[in-house]
Amino acid sequence: AQKVTQAQTEISVVEKEDVTLDCVYETRDTTYYLFWYKQPPSGELVFLIRRNSFDEQNEISGRYSWNFQKSTSSFNFTITASQVVDSAVYFCALSQGGSEKLVFGKGTKLTVNP
Amino acid sequence: SQTIHQWPATLVQPVGSPLSLECTVEGTSNPNLYWYRQAAGRGLQLLFYSVGIGQISSEVPQNLSASRPQDRQFILSSKKLLLSDSGFYLCAWRSKLGHNSPLHFGNGTRLTVT
Repeated sequence: AQKVTQAQTEISVVEKEDVTLDCVYETRDTTYYLFWYKQPPSGELVFLIRRNSFDEQNEISGRYSWNFQKSTSSFNFTITASQVVDSAVYFCALSQGGSEKLVFGKGTKLTVNP
Repeated sequence: SQTIHQWPATLVQPVGSPLSLECTVEGTSNPNLYWYRQAAGRGLQLLFYSVGIGQISSEVPQNLSASRPQDRQFILSSKKLLLSDSGFYLCAWRSKLGHNSPLHFGNGTRLTVT
């Protein structure tokens, strides 16, 4: 069985603060892939990143960074110097190797206030 | 480049009426196709997926059905809508190339059953 838990339902920060969104996953497979998606108020889901289970290197893309730790089964997402445009629901997702399916967490709603 | 079209954007239907939501993908061939539902709250629930024409896998027994009459066309249907069918329906595609490639989503259809 596979499961993704995003314990933070809602987070509210003030612009320019750093914020970390937590994601904990469960899987029995040794090969799996983790994803983050952003859903702005308009509704469409935007793909942000994919990580495979054999690559634990952290990744940075502009103000976004991701911390993958297999020891704690976590794949956390940090936004540095948050901006109002970062306000959205963020989803973490998991796909087991070779599976056609992507399982999503329940999402974390981030509100960045000016 | 690949694009995904989903329509209509919004729909209000009475209980007991039929439903047909359509999704088409351009710029790719033989994609995997998916229907997700996002009910009030934010979680994404996988309803159906298809790995080829006429091949449909159902994840949740319910009032809905899906069909894939053409390679890049995916249709979500119901003969008689229930109030509980209200929600935000998202179509997505995924390439079979590579390992566990990301899903790419359409803009969604907001369905309200009255």
